[in-house]
Amino acid sequence: AQKITQTQPGMFVQEKEAVTLDCTYDTSDPSYGLFWYKQPSSGEMIFLIYQGSYDQQNATEGRYSLNFQKARKSANLVISASQLGDSAMYFCAMPSHSGAGSYQLTFGKGTKLSVIP
Amino acid sequence: DSGVTQTPKHLITATGQRVTLRCSPRSGDLSVYWYQQSLDQGLQFLIQYYNGEERAKGNILERFSAQQFPDLHSELNLSSLELGDSALYFCASSVVDSTDTQYFGPGTRLTVL
Repeated sequence: AQKITQTQPGMFVQEKEAVTLDCTYDTSDPSYGLFWYKQPSSGEMIFLIYQGSYDQQNATEGRYSLNFQKARKSANLVISASQLGDSAMYFCAMPSHSGAGSYQLTFGKGTKLSVIP
Repeated sequence: DSGVTQTPKHLITATGQRVTLRCSPRSGDLSVYWYQQSLDQGLQFLIQYYNGEERAKGNILERFSAQQFPDLHSELNLSSLELGDSALYFCASSVVDSTDTQYFGPGTRLTVL
């Protein structure tokens, strides 16, 4: 079974600075992927970025990038030029399979990011 | 806006009651997933449906059941409600495959009094 660990319950970052949110994973699947989601205080879950284990380059989506280090089993989210609207919970998640066509996400416990003006 | 809709947004009910949560997936998505988010358990997968068929089950209680209808909308039924069932219930949808992104609805916040 997959296991996702987010060791930072809370983090602070100054506006306009970059911040790295940590995520480590454990899986026996030879092929896997990692998702990051953002959950603002309003509650919705917003997809940010995805990378598969066989992707050669680290994924980038605007100010978000994934620092994928397979040897260390880590997939850290980097947010550049932080904005006040980035204050939210951030979850790392990995898909797992229990049979043909079956698929679920296993989530970490999340990191609460607070952006300071 | 993810394109996934959930109703109602909020639900307040009493212990022992039964409620139904409804989800409409994004246009073209065949898979629907239900997740529960609570303070003590975090985000937990409940169940997956694909094109009307149950595909995967997670930590779903026997008091809970779900189905996906021919028009692909899904309902999650929660019965004999307990205080501990109070949580945010999310529906998500994806096209088909395991690497497909799951897009989440806004959630239904259930409060059991």
